[in-house]
Amino acid sequence: GAGVSQSPSNKVTEKGKDVELRCDPISGHTALYWYRQSLGQGLEFLIYFQGNSAPDKSGLPSDRFSAERTGGSVSTLTIQRTQQEDSAVYLCASSPRQNTEAFFGQGTRLTVV
Amino acid sequence: GQQLNQSPQSMFIQEGEDVSMNCTSSSIFNTWLWYKQDPGEGPVLLIALYKAGELTSNGRLTAQFGITRKDSFLNISASIPSDVGIYFCAGRLNDMRFGAGTRLTVKP
Repeated sequence: GAGVSQSPSNKVTEKGKDVELRCDPISGHTALYWYRQSLGQGLEFLIYFQGNSAPDKSGLPSDRFSAERTGGSVSTLTIQRTQQEDSAVYLCASSPRQNTEAFFGQGTRLTVV
Repeated sequence: GQQLNQSPQSMFIQEGEDVSMNCTSSSIFNTWLWYKQDPGEGPVLLIALYKAGELTSNGRLTAQFGITRKDSFLNISASIPSDVGIYFCAGRLNDMRFGAGTRLTVKP
């Protein structure tokens, strides 16, 4: 596709359920990033991928969060046993390679009730 | 980890005025990026800077990559109402870290 695509755009889930968020980067982009943005706040770094490997997982808030990337393309962010404080917009970005411009998707708005 | 300090946090200006915002860090970066975010949208790239000392313009926007590689500024000239939004700086050294944002309000 022309841009970074994230799905679903909105997700409402019950506390304690697992959720999976998906990011389709721009074709050919090797670097992929996940961020979390709470209402009215800045972008909190979660994890980034170079190809299929994640050199830096230090931003993941807890062991309930995990992410993977397969085939150097699609990435999924999984949140297990969701809590209300997980409610936020989850943003994905991709770039052609390290240290170049990066482009964002529209985000997934997650609401945990 | 890398910390980016972005200022000011918010600005209230009159249409036609110029705006300046900046980011500083204790870490060096290879790339500085400036984004604008409208409500309910993902951040949109405005300007990318790749070399220390680089000065780049995009229409009414001008940004510079600081010579020490630890800072960058963004200027907006002759502001218009559609400039309203949140502006974020981002520094890249393999990963990408963001400042807390500058919320711009433009009064007609």
